[in-house]
Amino acid sequence: AQTVTQSQPEMSVQEAETVTLSCTYDTSESDYYLFWYKQPPSRQMILVIRQEAYKQQNATENRFSVNFQKAAKSFSLKISDSQLGDAAMYFCAYRSARTGGTSYGKLTFGQGTILTVHP
Amino acid sequence: SQTIHQWPATLVQPVGSPLSLECTVEGTSNPNLYWYRQAAGRGLQLLFYSVGIGQISSEVPQNLSASRPQDRQFILSSKKLLLSDSGFYLCAWSVIGTGHEKLFFGSGTQLSVL
Repeated sequence: AQTVTQSQPEMSVQEAETVTLSCTYDTSESDYYLFWYKQPPSRQMILVIRQEAYKQQNATENRFSVNFQKAAKSFSLKISDSQLGDAAMYFCAYRSARTGGTSYGKLTFGQGTILTVHP
Repeated sequence: SQTIHQWPATLVQPVGSPLSLECTVEGTSNPNLYWYRQAAGRGLQLLFYSVGIGQISSEVPQNLSASRPQDRQFILSSKKLLLSDSGFYLCAWSVIGTGHEKLFFGSGTQLSVL
């Protein structure tokens, strides 16, 4: 079974600075998707960024980028120019690219990292 | 556009009482549907998922059950709630194989069992 580990329960950053959140995962599969979700105090889950494992290029979305190291099974999120609105809990998640079967489409989440942004 | 509705937003129930949480999706057909639970300050745990009407897969043995009576309706139930059932329940949907592999979440239900 796949597992996702976020080793940083809490992180903090100064406004306008850069912070990196860590995520590692364990899988025997070669094709899969990785995601970072943000959960602000409203508790709404918001997709931040997505990475396909078959793509070598790291995904970017405005101030958010990832460092995807497939061999090391590492998937970190970098937030540049941090803003107060970035304060939230961040979850790393894994999904198999296999179609069909008992794990079809499900996401496996890490335990989350609480990010605090200081003004 | 697609939307997902989940209700109620909050619920306080006594131990031993029944539970019914409902989730509906609009604007898409044949979605995969999911129920996740989030304990306070913790990650999301997948409870059930469904790839079609009447098709339910359970991830964790518990006293909860799920049903999918219609294509875009997903219901989480319990006959008798336990204290340990307290948590934040999230419904989600996705459509696999179309490029929409990401999961879209509802706004959640905070369940307190007292």
